[in-house]
Amino acid sequence: DTAVSQTPKYLVTQMGNDKSIKCEQNLGHDTMYWYKQDSKKFLKIMFSYNNKELIINETVPNRFSPKSPDKAHLNLHINSLELGDSAVYFCASSQDMAGREQYFGPGTRLTVT
Amino acid sequence: KQEVTQIPAALSVPEGENLVLNCSFTDSAIYNLQWFRQDPGKGLTSLLLIQSSQREQTSGRLNASLDKSSGRSTLYIAASQPGDSATYLCAASYYGNNRLAFGKGNQVVVIP
Repeated sequence: DTAVSQTPKYLVTQMGNDKSIKCEQNLGHDTMYWYKQDSKKFLKIMFSYNNKELIINETVPNRFSPKSPDKAHLNLHINSLELGDSAVYFCASSQDMAGREQYFGPGTRLTVT
Repeated sequence: KQEVTQIPAALSVPEGENLVLNCSFTDSAIYNLQWFRQDPGKGLTSLLLIQSSQREQTSGRLNASLDKSSGRSTLYIAASQPGDSATYLCAASYYGNNRLAFGKGNQVVVIP
């Protein structure tokens, strides 16, 4: 059973397009996150949601819009894709925000051409 | 500012030697410190989690220590094996929102 899953695993698209990445966790966790790993392999927080409520929005362009339809899902929608958006996007979840271990999905490699 | 630094960025060791990976963080108001392993093109595998009230955690050949006062954590891997070759990431979780601040990783190669 996959704990945190993401789809798609790979996404290749052209500049200017709009795309979505989906994330689901079956751990019963309250808190979910999106992280971005850039070409230099540096991982940085983008968003976090707790019980479907936005907690962290870390200076991310408003072309990125997370949506949490329920506690088990946190999707990432990206409008007007740019070359610089090419990266690996990781979804993660934790039981709550009180210092709990975070579990990561397998990542989505986004390539914008 | 919450920053996490890992040194060295890359290291190679012969098989059987013990590995010592260092991580430092700038803000001592951490919830916990988590060590991850990342293989090329893969996701993150959680190795050890040390709560801020703990000094160390052990799992098999892995031992991680935490010294909040000096802002340091060390990951020890005993008797390294070629299968330990990977990038090891240290991440600190901070009070208030549980965000993880990551270091840039230690890229390890264990030479058979």
